Amino acid sequence: SQTIHQWPATLVQPVGSPLSLECTVEGTSNPNLYWYRQAAGRGLQLLFYSVGIGQISSEVPQNLSASRPQDRQFILSSKKLLLSDSGFYLCAWSGSPTNEKLFFGSGTQLSVL
Amino acid sequence: AQSVTQPDIHITVSEGASLELRCNYSYGATPYLFWYVQSPGQGLQLLLKYFSGDTLVQGIKGFEAEFKRSQSSFNLRKPSVHWSDAAEYFCAVGGLTTSGTYKYIFGTGTRLKVLA
Repeated sequence: SQTIHQWPATLVQPVGSPLSLECTVEGTSNPNLYWYRQAAGRGLQLLFYSVGIGQISSEVPQNLSASRPQDRQFILSSKKLLLSDSGFYLCAWSGSPTNEKLFFGSGTQLSVL
Repeated sequence: AQSVTQPDIHITVSEGASLELRCNYSYGATPYLFWYVQSPGQGLQLLLKYFSGDTLVQGIKGFEAEFKRSQSSFNLRKPSVHWSDAAEYFCAVGGLTTSGTYKYIFGTGTRLKVLA
């Protein structure tokens, strides 16, 4: 069966520090991968999605970047965190080519202080 | 562009009462529509989805939703709410991108509180 792993579960970082959040999917190949951010009262905001290795689509201009170095690995990064980067980050995948639904990881709570 | 509106930020109901959570979407073609539920500090679990066919769809945990194209709505309902249904509920619309994959846009969520 397919599983999605996301880590760390919680992270506290100072302003200006770098960020790297990792997400991996098991049990499937060539998934579509997504990063969402959930801020209080703002729902889930789509940040990035990827249809394949090295293929990244950005939804919102921001202080973050994403990379997909391997088929089932999706990384969210920042060179210098801002206070506004705080939030709950969720990785998700969908099957290809059916694209029927999203499967979510358990999320990373990021606090930038 | 796709968009989803959930007009109710918070809803409070008594246990055993009926529930309806509203969702309106904007999408140029026939959308894929979803309802997800999120417990505190957790990821999202799919309740139900609509792709085509019967406009009344049944999901897990006794939930159902009805797709109404004329109203661009996909409201979630449950006839009798249980205390364990207290959570945040998200409506989402999936649409095809130029790269051939689906992009899923979520609403801002409705937080449900259940009174004993």
